[in-house]
This record gives sequence, structure tokens and C-alpha cells, in this order.
Amino acid sequence: DAGITQSPRYKITETGRQVTLMCHQTWSHSYMFWYRQDLGHGLRLIYYSAAADITDKGEVPDGYVVSRSKTENFPLTLESATRSQTSVYFCASSEPNRPEGEKLFFGSGTQLSVL
Amino acid sequence: QKEVEQDPGPLSVPEGAIVSLNCTYSNSAFQYFMWYRQYSRKGPELLMYTYSSGNKEDGRFTAQVDKSSKYISLFIRDSQPSDSATYLCAMSAYDSNYQLIWGAGTKLIIKP
Repeated sequence: DAGITQSPRYKITETGRQVTLMCHQTWSHSYMFWYRQDLGHGLRLIYYSAAADITDKGEVPDGYVVSRSKTENFPLTLESATRSQTSVYFCASSEPNRPEGEKLFFGSGTQLSVL
Repeated sequence: QKEVEQDPGPLSVPEGAIVSLNCTYSNSAFQYFMWYRQYSRKGPELLMYTYSSGNKEDGRFTAQVDKSSKYISLFIRDSQPSDSATYLCAMSAYDSNYQLIWGAGTKLIIKP
């Protein structure tokens, strides 16, 4: 199916563990983004990628690592999970040509709980 | 002060009412304005996209941008229970590298 898929849908882990959230898109969009969504904060950008092997920090990158070896995949890793990283994580993609480049397409999210 | 301010609500209105959702912003460089709708336990989906000032209409939805007042609005006519969701505004500047600045979202409840 065309679109953007995230896995897992739900994840429970313990503090200090490494966790990887997966994101896969089938549109061949150049740009991909990772956001976290928390009550009172809305969507906050963690990392984004303009193309394969090109990544950059967003607003809240600390404690997270990303990679993008292939255009279609953009995994997000929490190196040593903390309780403050309990959140809902959304992956998104976009086609970079203006004026359409700001139109983001989102996955269904991963709800992560760090105990 | 946040770059984009949006009342979190909830906003509760009866079915059939006209709904007005708003965001204010501080960065005069913003040129691209969007409204996303997010249903519970789902990702946001783009509802309306506007470049610069003016109005845009799509069915029951109208987006307005007033750059002189740094104020954007989303109007929903003949509101339906299926419109119950959280509505997020987002905006960006031309040189933003496609990074959006988001409002916190307004939770809308349409009562049958």
C-alpha cells in the first residue's frame, strides 16, 4: 500500500534501554521528519532529512539519533530511553518542490511509554 | 512567547453551527499557512494550504490569512459530528527548509 507506515504502533520500554522506531514511505519523497507530540506542546520537530545520508537537528534532538541510508526509510533511535521521552512519535514526509513542499504526510504514530 | 499561539480549547458547538478556529503568529516572514486535522490516535492530515494572504475555500471549509494582523482562521460551515477532532495550524517562511512551526492545536467537539 502506498503511504507512510510506522512501527511499532505501541511500545513499552524501561529507562536506559535502546529503542528504535521505524518509518517507511512509498512515495519517494525527499524530505522526512520525526516529531514528538505532547500535551501542551503540540508537535515538536526532533530531526529531519532532506535526502538519503543528509540529516539535521530540529527543535528537540537531544537523546535521539537518526539515519537515512535509503530514501524510503528513516528510523529514529533513542539511545538510552528516559521517562521524559514518553510521548507519541510521528514520522512525516514531503515533496520538496514549492509551493507544495510544506505539505506533510504523516504516519499513524508510535505511542512510546518509558517506565 | 511562542511563535504561534493557538487556543487549546476544547471548543464545543452544536451540530450545524459555524465554527471559527484561529491562530496568531509573531514572525512576519511566514508565507505558507496550513491547517491540519487530527483525529484521536491518528496522525495529522492536511486540510487547507494557503500561500500568503487571502481566502481559500474548499467545500465547507474556508481558510483566511491576514498577514497585516498576523492572524489566520479556519471556518467550518454546517459543522458535523465527524468534524470533531483537533485542528492544528502550521506555518513556515520561504527559507525555512520546509520546517513548519506548529500551533498547539484546538480540540473541537461537535455535539449532535
